[in-house]
Amino acid sequence: AQSVTQLDSQVPVFEEAPVELRCNYSSSVSVYLFWYVQYPNQGLQLLLKYLSGSTLVESINGFEAEFNKSQTSFHLRKPSVHISDTAEYFCAVTENSGGSNYKLTFGKGTLLTVNP
Amino acid sequence: NAGVTQTPKFQVLKTGQSMTLQCAQDMNHNSMYWYRQDPGMGLRLIYYSASEGTTDKGEVPNGYNVSRLNKREFSLRLESAAPSQTSVYFCASSEYLAQYFGPGTRLTVT
Repeated sequence: AQSVTQLDSQVPVFEEAPVELRCNYSSSVSVYLFWYVQYPNQGLQLLLKYLSGSTLVESINGFEAEFNKSQTSFHLRKPSVHISDTAEYFCAVTENSGGSNYKLTFGKGTLLTVNP
Repeated sequence: NAGVTQTPKFQVLKTGQSMTLQCAQDMNHNSMYWYRQDPGMGLRLIYYSASEGTTDKGEVPNGYNVSRLNKREFSLRLESAAPSQTSVYFCASSEYLAQYFGPGTRLTVT
């Protein structure tokens, strides 16, 4: 069975500092990986995803994540954060089982707080 | 397009009362999902529907029932609410891999 571990429940940083949110997964088969972002009192929004191909994937707002198969990791990074990046970030995994329905398993979330 | 909509946004129930949470999507997606979100627990899958006419249990189905009314709508019913069901409930839909979420229903059971 698949599982996801987000190693930090809270990450406080100062504005314009770099940040890394860590995510490790466990699965016996190949996987697809996702990062979702949840702003206060809102639903989750897809930030970026790794399906295949290049192991480095990017979002439109400057985040990137790198799939590392040997480390079973999919860490999220941003070189310079803004106040508006304050949110909770969820890593999620689904197994490439060849079916048509993909159930996501979510990590417990990392609350990123960007301070001025 | 509205995407995924959920009603109501907020609800307070007394223990033992019943209610139905409504979800609709206008993206013509086949798959729909119900999650609950609790502090420090992430999102946990309650039920899902891979296609119209099918439903399956997720990780935490006890105390809930679902109905896939048609391709657009997927409702979640609490027959006899318990304080342990106090949570934020999210509906999502997907066609392939990415899931799209509604804004959530905040439910309190007293």
